[in-house]
Order: sequence, then C-alpha cells, then structure tokens
Amino acid sequence: DQQVKQNSPSLSVQEGRISILNCDYTNSMFDYFLWYKKYPAEGPTFLISISSIKDKNEDGRFTVFLNKSAKHLSLHIVPSQPGDSAVYFCAATGYGNKLVFGAGTILRVKS
Amino acid sequence: GAGVSQSPSNKVTEKGKDVELRCDPISGHTALYWYRQRLGQGLEFLIYFQGNSAPDKSGLPSDRFSAERTGESVSTLTIQRTQQEDSAVYLCASSGTSGGGETQYFGPGTRLLVL
Repeated sequence: DQQVKQNSPSLSVQEGRISILNCDYTNSMFDYFLWYKKYPAEGPTFLISISSIKDKNEDGRFTVFLNKSAKHLSLHIVPSQPGDSAVYFCAATGYGNKLVFGAGTILRVKS
Repeated sequence: GAGVSQSPSNKVTEKGKDVELRCDPISGHTALYWYRQRLGQGLEFLIYFQGNSAPDKSGLPSDRFSAERTGESVSTLTIQRTQQEDSAVYLCASSGTSGGGETQYFGPGTRLLVL
C-alpha cells in the first residue's frame, strides 16, 4: 500500500529552467510533508518542509506547494542548477508517526 | 562529530551468515529510525525508536531482522541468516524530540551485499 507516490521516476531539465517534482499521497491523516535530496553514496538530506496549515513554503530557489484537497504536493526549483542533480524523495507524516517516503525521482539538470 | 554515523560503510557477506549494523545518532536526539533502500527503489521504513517507548517494529520484513537501542544512544540492526534479497543500503536517521514531523538527519548508510 503506497501511501506516498512519486509517479515520475526521472526528470531531465535544462540548466536555468524550472524543475517541478510531484508527489501524491493517500492518507488524509498526514499533516506534515518534507522533501529530501540524496546524492549517490550519501544519506538523504533534508531540503524543505510544509505543514498542512499552509499551502506554500519558500526557501531560496526551492518552493513547496501543497494542495490538500487533491492530496498533492510539488517541489519547484528555480533556476535549476547542475548541482541540483540528485534523487528527490517526498515524505509525509501524521503527528507522532513515522515518515512515509515516496520512491524518489531522479532529477538531471543539463548544462 | 556532529552527524549521524554508521558502520561498517560496506559489508559483503555470504548467504546464511548473520550481520550486525551500527548507528550512532546525533547526541541528544531521542528518535532513531532504520530504513532500507534496495537498488532502484525508495526508502523502506524498518523500525523506529522514540526515547524509552516500545519501538515501532512494523516495518521489519521478517523475524530475521531485529534492532536494539540502548537509551538514547547507539543502535544496532541485526539480520540473521542473511538472504540475497537482504542486499540493500541500510540507512539510519535520528531526530530531535518528538520524532515524526521533526527533520530527520541521515547517516551515510551501510551497503550490504549478500552473495
């Protein structure tokens, strides 16, 4: 039962353009959402998060949008840089519960 | 050392042998998680420790898998009678207080290969 789904296994974007990574969830009890970034041979690192009381959170080039009615969130990276090439994991949690991760999306930013 | 550390970084073992993986969380972090990432797949939750509460073992795939944590310090994940399908990167993460929504900080992982 995949409660968090990242339906695009990979995404290729030109340097300087926008990268949009998508994530869907099924559990309506989730109220906190996070994005992690993972380089090869390293553990995932936290990137940005959003609480269900908000619909947008911005941190520099990274913005996360949450659409609760659609149970959908997205991560926008603008402008994309070659160093952004990594695997991006979406994760979700309800209060006091463990994080549930999506399968990840491989982002390749071409220079 | 400020981050989560894991050892060994790589482990090659023969099918049927037991392996023990170690995680040193960030000092003061009460929550500790173990995940597994098989090749080409996402992060799979295994087990969660929160303070002195009973661990959430709901993600352990079989009774060959077990984990221990002493207080709020080191944790060990043990896989008995390893099988080839156990080959994966095993990741440990820790977080500050309540777990769950707190940001988790990951270690570099242990790459396990079962021959």
